[in-house]
Amino acid sequence: DAGVIQSPRHEVTEMGQEVTLRCKPISGHDYLFWYRQTMMRGLELLIYFNNNVPIDDSGMPEDRFSAKMPNASFSTLKIQPSEPRDSAVYFCASSLEGSGYEQYFGPGTRLTVT
Amino acid sequence: QKEVEQNSGPLSVPEGAIASLNCTYSDRGSQSFFWYRQYSGKSPELIMSIYSNGDKEDGRFTAQLNKASQYVSLLIRDSQPSDSATYLCAAIIQGYQKVTFGTGTKLQVIP
Repeated sequence: DAGVIQSPRHEVTEMGQEVTLRCKPISGHDYLFWYRQTMMRGLELLIYFNNNVPIDDSGMPEDRFSAKMPNASFSTLKIQPSEPRDSAVYFCASSLEGSGYEQYFGPGTRLTVT
Repeated sequence: QKEVEQNSGPLSVPEGAIASLNCTYSDRGSQSFFWYRQYSGKSPELIMSIYSNGDKEDGRFTAQLNKASQYVSLLIRDSQPSDSATYLCAAIIQGYQKVTFGTGTKLQVIP
């Protein structure tokens, strides 16, 4: 079975530009999570969805960040406008209710904002 | 106070030795605990989960949980250079899906 798929794997953009990160969860999983990882702050939960509905977005740093999950197999995380401090690795993870809360991570998107 | 705390390391052990990684958590409502391994430049990979007090063994890995002391540990027996990575401890409150991660302990296994 395919794992969590993320695209792009690397993104380099200029400050002020819009960035869209994409994620396809493991088929059948009903929870999807977006994380950000930096050296300074470690792994931070940004938002998570259950059955395509956002449940907790308290980790979203500010209004420049938004996330959607239009269907069970696709989610996006958008940053508009991007800033250099958004540079980080963004991970998507998914899990299945009843599976012991075990989350499986995608390969991540390394974002660099110049 | 961070909800899940780990020593950042690095923890250096010789090849073949036992590596002991420790984690404490602050929320007594936490019921499920996980250890993830993260190689440099890669994503976290789930290696152990533990839900009840005591030990859980899987190959060379043993997870230990003591809820009274709010303490979780991971033992790696017969450590190999390929075990060199950052190990993330994570906790979750029962009934919720929100996992809180520690900042990770970097393990170096010296050949």
